[in-house]
Amino acid sequence: EVQLVESGGGLVQPGGSLRLSCSASGFTFSDYWMTWVRQAPGKGLEWITNIKQDGSEKYYVDSMKGRFTISRDNAKNSLYLQMNSLRADDTAVYYCAGGDDVLSAHWGQGTMVTVSS
Amino acid sequence: QPGLTQSSSASASLGSSVTLTCTLSSGHSDYVIAWHQQQPGKAPRYLMKLEPSGRYNKGSGVPDRFSGSSSGADRYLTISNLQSEDEADYYCETWDSYTHGVFGGGTKLTVL
Repeated sequence: EVQLVESGGGLVQPGGSLRLSCSASGFTFSDYWMTWVRQAPGKGLEWITNIKQDGSEKYYVDSMKGRFTISRDNAKNSLYLQMNSLRADDTAVYYCAGGDDVLSAHWGQGTMVTVSS
Repeated sequence: QPGLTQSSSASASLGSSVTLTCTLSSGHSDYVIAWHQQQPGKAPRYLMKLEPSGRYNKGSGVPDRFSGSSSGADRYLTISNLQSEDEADYYCETWDSYTHGVFGGGTKLTVL
């Protein structure tokens, strides 16, 4: 069974940093594109960034370029999201998702990030 | 990059059928999409991949009541024999050659 488990969320002050992790199991991690998606309270899903199977290509939504960095470690079956210069409007549940022919065929349960002083 | 438009809400009676629509932006009518369901307080769940031809491929465990179809730039999700647990938000998603994904705004389905 495919499992994606996010961790690393929490309360952070504006301007601070946070690193999210996503641990994968039940499939060959290195076969999948991996994606981060977020959902602000009461809002819809927002695609943030994704990374190719071997990490050679990374794509970001324009509004987060330069602040967020996606990475992966295929040896550890793990996906990461480094978030810097956090703002109040970054408050959201952050999901990792993955797939081979569909970007988001599998979803994690999400981790909550709250940016507040 | 493609865009996706969904109605904000829909409603239908228990046991009936409902069809939700996701419309691709101009020039992107040949794009594949995915449908996802998000029940209240839960993570999204992948339902199916839907091709421009109308061919669809469902995720593991998705009931037979869920089906997909396509017409031009429109992608449809039909739910038959509506159950109370189908009350959820439904999102469509597409991507540009596996890069730059995008979600529609979501449709909130109410089962009466």
